[in-house]
Amino acid sequence: AQTVTQSQPEMSVQEAETVTLSCTYDTSESDYYLFWYKQPPSRQMILVIRQEAYKQQNATENRFSVNFQKAAKSFSLKISDSQLGDAAMYFCAYRRGLTDKLIFGTGTRLQVFP
Amino acid sequence: GAGVSQSPRYKVAKRGQDVALRCDPISGHVSLFWYQQALGQGPEFLTYFQNEAQLDKSGLPSDRFFAERPEGSVSTLKIQRTQQEDSAVYLCASSPTRRDQPQHFGDGTRLSIL
Repeated sequence: AQTVTQSQPEMSVQEAETVTLSCTYDTSESDYYLFWYKQPPSRQMILVIRQEAYKQQNATENRFSVNFQKAAKSFSLKISDSQLGDAAMYFCAYRRGLTDKLIFGTGTRLQVFP
Repeated sequence: GAGVSQSPRYKVAKRGQDVALRCDPISGHVSLFWYQQALGQGPEFLTYFQNEAQLDKSGLPSDRFFAERPEGSVSTLKIQRTQQEDSAVYLCASSPTRRDQPQHFGDGTRLSIL
């Protein structure tokens, strides 16, 4: 069975600095997708960034980028120029290519200090 | 509508009561998912619909949980004879037909069983 592990329950960063959130996963599949979702106190899951396993190039969305290491089954999220609005729970998620359900990690709470 | 709509936003019920949670997906989205998120945890998959067909209900924790999507749009998650361990946030997500499209989440329903 596929699993997703986030080993950092909490992280903190100073405003304008850079922070990296870690995620590892376990799968025997070759076709899959990886995601980072942000969940503020409003509870809505907001997609931050996604990566297709068949793409070697790391995904980037403005201040957010990933370091995708397929052989190591690692998928970390880097947030550059952190802003107060980035404070939230961040969940790493896996989706097998042939089915659509998401498998989530336990989350990392990110605090941003001014 | 513009996004996935869930109602009610909060639900309090006494143990043993039946509850019904509603999800109105984004118009035209074929796939609909229900997830359960316990306090401090990541969401866990409950069930998946493609149009009106329930293709995967492997995540439903017991036969007290029942979901339907009779006309392929609005979905209802029903929990019978609620128990305290059913207290959680229930998230609904929808996505279009294409496999590479991400899921869009609603704000969830926070269910509290007294």
